[in-house]
Amino acid sequence: QQQVKQSPQSLIVQKGGISIINCAYENTAFDYFPWYQQFPGKGPALLIAIRPDVREKKEGRFTISFNKSAKQFSLHIMDSQPGDSATYFCAAMKSSGDKLTFGTGTRLAVRP
Amino acid sequence: DAGVTQSPTHLIKTRGQQVTLRCSPKSGHDTVSWYQQALGQGPQFIFQYYEEEERQRGNFPDRFSGHQFPNYSSELNVNALLLGDSALYLCASSKRTGGHQPQHFGDGTRLSIL
Repeated sequence: QQQVKQSPQSLIVQKGGISIINCAYENTAFDYFPWYQQFPGKGPALLIAIRPDVREKKEGRFTISFNKSAKQFSLHIMDSQPGDSATYFCAAMKSSGDKLTFGTGTRLAVRP
Repeated sequence: DAGVTQSPTHLIKTRGQQVTLRCSPKSGHDTVSWYQQALGQGPQFIFQYYEEEERQRGNFPDRFSGHQFPNYSSELNVNALLLGDSALYLCASSKRTGGHQPQHFGDGTRLSIL
């Protein structure tokens, strides 16, 4: 059962553009939603995270928007750069110390 | 401050063999989780160790087992290897207490089964 659905599977954006990745979850017990960035040959690196009581969180060029009623959240990358080209995973967990449930990933390519 | 370290980085085994993968958590972390990442997929949770005990387990067979040592480091053992076990095995560490603590990942062990 895919508990966290992620789209699109791949994304091509021009340098300076906005990259948008969407995720939807089913389990209302999830209450912590991190995003991870993974480069080839490397492990996932934590990018930014949000809790359901916050509608939006911004860190530099990265913003998470959260819609609790729709059980959806999204990652926006502003002023996308070629160095942002990587695979992005959304994830969810239910409580402190819980396992992470990952989405299927979005491969982002930022063209110069 | 060293992050999560895993060894070896790459490993090639044949069907039926057994393998042991190792993980040292980030300094200050006491919880270790293991994930399997197949090519082109998101990581799938295998199990989690805290205070030297398995606390949670994902949908993986008993061929997958683990251990946590008093210094919080951990091992993942896989017996009777199958071709389908070929994947990147990731270790993540975190602190158990203090609310939602982020999980920090190592760069993984790439396991290839021939």
